[in-house]
Amino acid sequence: SAVISQKPSRDICQRGTSLTIQCQVDSQVTMMFWYRQQPGQSLTLIATANQGSEATYESGFVIDKFPISRPNLTFSTLTVSNMSPEDSSIYLCSATLMNTEAFFGQGTRLTVV
Amino acid sequence: DQQVKQNSPSLSVQEGRISILNCDYTNSMFDYFLWYKKYPAEGPTFLISISSIKDKNEDGRFTVFLNKSAKHLSLHIVPSQPGDSAVYFCAARRRAGSYQLTFGKGTKLSVIP
Repeated sequence: SAVISQKPSRDICQRGTSLTIQCQVDSQVTMMFWYRQQPGQSLTLIATANQGSEATYESGFVIDKFPISRPNLTFSTLTVSNMSPEDSSIYLCSATLMNTEAFFGQGTRLTVV
Repeated sequence: DQQVKQNSPSLSVQEGRISILNCDYTNSMFDYFLWYKKYPAEGPTFLISISSIKDKNEDGRFTVFLNKSAKHLSLHIVPSQPGDSAVYFCAARRRAGSYQLTFGKGTKLSVIP
């Protein structure tokens, strides 16, 4: 398997601001994903990060709110834009290698005040 | 509309006994199922999986059973150990080659020494 480093691990942000979360994998992975886990809820897929092209967003998530970059095979960023308290969640980066199950970073715990 | 359901938010089991975690799903397109374990402040880690063409998969102390007709799967841990105390997520994948996962809300297992 591989190791995902995600940072920051936690942050407290003012409403109306934006936060960029970074995800670095120590191997060249096949696919990268971003998930959100709101308090008491399941992990929900936000989008698939595509290398060199626009991310593929799931229903209910839009690029203006959650812009995603993936400039190469091992790195991706997720920005949470114009934050409100409802964006307070754990955000998780996930990746797969060829023929492996998805593995996850440790998550970013975001609190918006 | 929750497609993967874990109806028990928590479960307490005595050390050495069997832990049974349950999961139900509604989408007939799911053909691959996974269990992840999550410790506090860490990302989920893959535990065991099962394809829809099987009804049982075993890996050491962990066994997953799938009942397709009932759209139900369960994870058995025998014998349970205090280190198994964690949140367990059931997840499903829609088709072969698709790595996007749909998660349940998780069950917090506490193994009492």
